[in-house]
Amino acid sequence: NAGVTQTPKFQVLKTGQSMTLQCAQDMNHNSMYWYRQDPGMGLRLIYYSASEGTTDKGEVPNGYNVSRLNKREFSLRLESAAPSQTSVYFCASSDFQGGFFGPGTRLTVL
Amino acid sequence: AQSVTQLGSHVSVSEGALVLLRCNYSSSVPPYLFWYVQYPNQGLQLLLKYTSAATLVKGINGFEAEFKKSETSFHLTKPSAHMSDAAEYFCAVSGLNAGGTSYGKLTFGQGTILTVHP
Repeated sequence: NAGVTQTPKFQVLKTGQSMTLQCAQDMNHNSMYWYRQDPGMGLRLIYYSASEGTTDKGEVPNGYNVSRLNKREFSLRLESAAPSQTSVYFCASSDFQGGFFGPGTRLTVL
Repeated sequence: AQSVTQLGSHVSVSEGALVLLRCNYSSSVPPYLFWYVQYPNQGLQLLLKYTSAATLVKGINGFEAEFKKSETSFHLTKPSAHMSDAAEYFCAVSGLNAGGTSYGKLTFGQGTILTVHP
């Protein structure tokens, strides 16, 4: 039981490049989330998926897209990276035990 | 709409002293409240959660929190700090997701960095 896994762990992009952050959970949770963490700002919700086949915008969705590929997987895509997207990205899933977080992806956009 | 305010971005205590981390929330629906801990370069780990079953909630590592509806607070305490408690702590609030099948999206406070001095 791996919980929530994320790939990659680290990534450096140049402005304008694109990439996809991958997330998978093996806990059979319906709900999955993408957050970004910036110093002094806590975690802010980018997108979430309440169930397979549905996605909704969170607090800071601009510049991102998501895909809920199946119940296990929820990916986050940056189509044209900007320096303002330098951050640590966390994927999470939840049930009635709480929210469970992956180890994070540290992204730097130059 | 939901929001969380954590009072104090940094708290410093001596080893063996009481730890008190403050959290106030705002919610238009009955809230579910959580405390998470984050150690350097790691993800978030759930410490404890309030789900309306009991107002005093005990969590892992000796932490507990009390839900006070009249004060809209959910402060985190630990009677005696250990060096290993040094980390960043986040308070969060949620409701239920649209289908009622799990907790919904979490809204986080800005975090409190706890430093423990020997």
